[in-house]
Amino acid sequence: SQTIHQWPATLVQPVGSPLSLECTVEGTSNPNLYWYRQAAGRGLQLLFYSVGIGQISSEVPQNLSASRPQDRQFILSSKKLLLSDSGFYLCAWTASGYEQYFGPGTRLTVT
Amino acid sequence: RKEVEQDPGPFNVPEGATVAFNCTYSNSASQSFFWYRQDCRKEPKLLMSVYSSGNEDGRFTAQLNRASQYISLLIRDSKLSDSATYLCVVKANQAGTALIFGKGTTLSVSS
Repeated sequence: SQTIHQWPATLVQPVGSPLSLECTVEGTSNPNLYWYRQAAGRGLQLLFYSVGIGQISSEVPQNLSASRPQDRQFILSSKKLLLSDSGFYLCAWTASGYEQYFGPGTRLTVT
Repeated sequence: RKEVEQDPGPFNVPEGATVAFNCTYSNSASQSFFWYRQDCRKEPKLLMSVYSSGNEDGRFTAQLNRASQYISLLIRDSKLSDSATYLCVVKANQAGTALIFGKGTTLSVSS
């Protein structure tokens, strides 16, 4: 069966520090991968998606970037965090292109 | 008009009650529809896909009205464990594109 992992589970970082969040999927090949952010009291916002290694699409301009160095690995990064980057970051995958399955998420607080 | 709109609630119901949530979407090209459930501080989990003819999964029934661009979720015989936020989700019929999430409807079931 397929599983999706994210780490770390929680993170507290100062403004201006770098960020690296990792997501890996097991049990499937060539999944579509997604990064979402959920700010407090708000809906899920798509940040990036990837249909293959090295292929990244960005949905909104922001302080973040994404990379897909391997088929089942998706990384979210920032060189300098802003207060507004705080939120719940969720990685998701799909094989069919339709139903998406989410990882456990990383709760980021920028102080 | 927001892409996916839901009444945020909260809906406060006693155990055993029947409760219905509604959702409207703005993009008539949307082809796939889902309900996700999100517990507090957890990732969203797929509850059920919504099919054109309507579908049922145990105590849960989903309906789709394409003409009115309207989706519903009915929960019968509510349980305490049904307390959560229910997210209405739509997707255009293009592989690789993201899901569009509503902000969710909060349900609280009490004994």
